[in-house]
Amino acid sequence: DAKTTQPTSMDCAEGRAANLPCNHSTISGNEYVYWYRQIHSQGPQYIIHGLKNNETNEMASLIITEDRKSSTLILPHATLRDTAVYYCIVRVESGANNLFFGTGTRLTVIP
Amino acid sequence: DTAVSQTPKYLVTQMGNDKSIKCEQNLGHDTMYWYKQDSKKFLKIMFSYNNKELIINETVPNRFSPKSPDKAHLNLHINSLELGDSAVYFCASTKHGGGAMNTEAFFGQGTRLTVV
Repeated sequence: DAKTTQPTSMDCAEGRAANLPCNHSTISGNEYVYWYRQIHSQGPQYIIHGLKNNETNEMASLIITEDRKSSTLILPHATLRDTAVYYCIVRVESGANNLFFGTGTRLTVIP
Repeated sequence: DTAVSQTPKYLVTQMGNDKSIKCEQNLGHDTMYWYKQDSKKFLKIMFSYNNKELIINETVPNRFSPKSPDKAHLNLHINSLELGDSAVYFCASTKHGGGAMNTEAFFGQGTRLTVV
């Protein structure tokens, strides 16, 4: 599975959009981009995933560049409860086999 | 109802003891997993069970043994506990174990194991 690079930490004002970038320049054509987050003292939580097209659900939007070498997770109106570590994962297989959680981005939403 | 539940949430025990962590999912999923999160916060997969059959074992010491009495349960038994086993252990489940279906994983709340 391709490697991902994310900033170590980011701050976002409450109510503003949080844009979390992820680089995956070695992504293969059949690899999906997944986003999970882990709120302090809780288990990881699935957010969204996509292959080529942009995706949106009730939690977030995922914007994938045309060359698929990078993506951005957007939380449209960040709340204090969105403070967490966000993980960008690129993988082929489904399920949780070999979900590699790297260091992620620690997002802090500021009142 | 909690989708994936683990017990206990906290476990403090002495070196050399044997302990078990239980996991149950009520989602009707086919595959369950155990992950370990160490002090550096890296999450690493330990085991995966698909329809009560072990399908992955990521070089985990054989002191760790997953046991699945049925599709909804995957327990983790640890023999001869060592200091280095101290970590947070997460159970997870997915509807499918592999293939073309890309399904999200549901994680439990974690069990914080402290070996003293």
